[in-house]
Amino acid sequence: EAQVTQNPRYLITVTGKKLTVTCSQNMNHEYMSWYRQDPGLGLRQIYYSMNVEVTDKGDVPEGYKVSRKEKRNFPLILESPSPNQTSLYFCASRGTGSHWGNQPQHFGDGTRLSIL
Amino acid sequence: DQQVKQNSPSLSVQEGRISILNCDYTNSMFDYFLWYKKYPAEGPTFLISISSIKDKNEDGRFTVFLNKSAKHLSLHIVPSQPGDSAVYFCAARSGNQFYFGTGTSLTVIP
Repeated sequence: EAQVTQNPRYLITVTGKKLTVTCSQNMNHEYMSWYRQDPGLGLRQIYYSMNVEVTDKGDVPEGYKVSRKEKRNFPLILESPSPNQTSLYFCASRGTGSHWGNQPQHFGDGTRLSIL
Repeated sequence: DQQVKQNSPSLSVQEGRISILNCDYTNSMFDYFLWYKKYPAEGPTFLISISSIKDKNEDGRFTVFLNKSAKHLSLHIVPSQPGDSAVYFCAARSGNQFYFGTGTSLTVIP
């Protein structure tokens, strides 16, 4: 089954304690992305990656890091989490290039982070 | 600054009637527009899309209209069904980035 898998689904942690949210896709997609969803603000793009070892900032990258060492994985790293990073996070992937056409993004089921 | 806006946070419609969800955008460089549907505790799922070179795209009960001069996008659902009750997000692409609206919660009343 084609899917985007995020872990953990829920996490409560404290300010300053480094955490990583993993994201994995099994569709051989080149493009992967992270979003956060906040009330009244919709989904905002944090980082995206066009392919292995290629990452770029989205609209709200401050306080986050990403890496793309393998095509299937795109972890989101919070080196020193703060309460304003409490949010619902989504990972997404899509195929790019002429053989994919105009493909929509496929989303994971979300990770709810609470930073105390 | 929000480049994609959905000004109606919620909408209620009777089953069988038409649902019209609206979206406005500010960036004339957007070349691809999408609608996603989201149920609680799940990620958004793709519904329908439209390229900026078209003004209408239809897929079954769902039709998306694009008015580039007004920078306005709408999603029509006909007929509406109770299973359509969800939050709907419009999204737009510029280059390799995607911008989402704040969502409209649709309730279809049986």
